[in-house]
Amino acid sequence: SQTIHQWPATLVQPVGSPLSLECTVEGTSNPNLYWYRQAAGRGLQLLFYSVGIGQISSEVPQNLSASRPQDRQFILSSKKLLLSDSGFYLCAWSGLVSSYNSPLHFGNGTRLTVT
Amino acid sequence: QQPVQSPQAVILREGEDAVINCSSSKALYSVHWYRQKHGEAPVFLMILLKGGEQKGHEKISASFNEKKQQSSLYLTASQLSYSGTYFCGTVSGAGSYQLTFGKGTKLSVIP
Repeated sequence: SQTIHQWPATLVQPVGSPLSLECTVEGTSNPNLYWYRQAAGRGLQLLFYSVGIGQISSEVPQNLSASRPQDRQFILSSKKLLLSDSGFYLCAWSGLVSSYNSPLHFGNGTRLTVT
Repeated sequence: QQPVQSPQAVILREGEDAVINCSSSKALYSVHWYRQKHGEAPVFLMILLKGGEQKGHEKISASFNEKKQQSSLYLTASQLSYSGTYFCGTVSGAGSYQLTFGKGTKLSVIP
């Protein structure tokens, strides 16, 4: 069966520090990978998605970036964190070509607090 | 564009029914429904595809009216385990990778 791992679970970082969040998927090949952010009490905002190695699409202009160095690995990074980057970051995967008919499977999330 | 969910919050007693609505200003190809418990990741409930279908999952079912660009989630005979925040996600193109979520509806079931 497929599993998705995301770490760390919680993170407290000072403003201006770098960020690296990692996500890996097991049990499937060529997944579509996604990074979502959820601010406190808010909905889910799509940040990046990837349909293959090295292919990244950005949905929201910000100081975050994403990379996909391997088929089942997705990394979210920042060179300098802002207070507004605080939130609950969720990695997700789907198994088909389009989101049209393919459910998203979420990791357990990383709760990031920027101080 | 973000779909609009209503109500924003609802409190039910065990055994009562609820309806959560999701509407969009854009034409929709599909609607997803997810439930998120506090502090946890969202969990997939169901997808409704263009064609006006209705689907069921135990005592939770949903409908999709593509002409009205609306979907509704029906929870019958609610249980304590139904508590959480329900999100609809919409897809506006058959080849789209963008699942746009509403702000969520917080459902609280009390004894």
